[in-house]
Amino acid sequence: DTEVTQTPKHLVMGMTNKKSLKCEQHMGHRAMYWYKQKAKKPPELMFVYSYEKLSINESVPSRFSPECPNSSLLNLHLHALQPEDSALYLCASSLGQLETQYFGPGTRLLVL
Amino acid sequence: QKEVEQDPGPLSVPEGAIVSLNCTYSNSAFQYFMWYRQYSRKGPELLMYTYSSGNKEDGRFTAQVDKSSKYISLFIRDSQPSDSATYLCAMSPYSSASKIIFGSGTRLSIRP
Repeated sequence: DTEVTQTPKHLVMGMTNKKSLKCEQHMGHRAMYWYKQKAKKPPELMFVYSYEKLSINESVPSRFSPECPNSSLLNLHLHALQPEDSALYLCASSLGQLETQYFGPGTRLLVL
Repeated sequence: QKEVEQDPGPLSVPEGAIVSLNCTYSNSAFQYFMWYRQYSRKGPELLMYTYSSGNKEDGRFTAQVDKSSKYISLFIRDSQPSDSATYLCAMSPYSSASKIIFGSGTRLSIRP
């Protein structure tokens, strides 16, 4: 298995909803990442987990809450989002933090 | 000045042409250099990865890094319509290799 999977593919939520994005990889990678990508812009790093511990938080608002339950799984919990949070949310993984990152297909999020 | 500059295009060339995509950067601490390809509404796909000056070839793709000029290039030979996508250069410093800085992406269209 050489891919990063993300669910759901699309998500529409209201500003008072709570939802979660899921990312999974079975490549034995020990670093996992969340990125946010707005239309026609490059991905922006949000969080980095290394060996299931949060190692980087790029000053992301607390309405985004990451979780790494095990080495294969990464979640992003969403609560009280704003319309400007609508974007493509990408998960990536790498063997270690110094290795190349492989991206999933993303979850396209629309906040109404 | 942005840390990584990339011409956003769009760039349109006929099928079979050689394509040259370029990025410049200002941070001399960057040690890892990557090119990602991103199709519309998909996650970025790693094409090339290098950490030294010089050329690296993989099939129809050649990545070139000139650290003295802070300039990287991606060449695509015998371009195909399936190469139509956005190409993102990306780089990171050794001290924090997980913090990838992406260029803004160049939209490439190959005309049949």
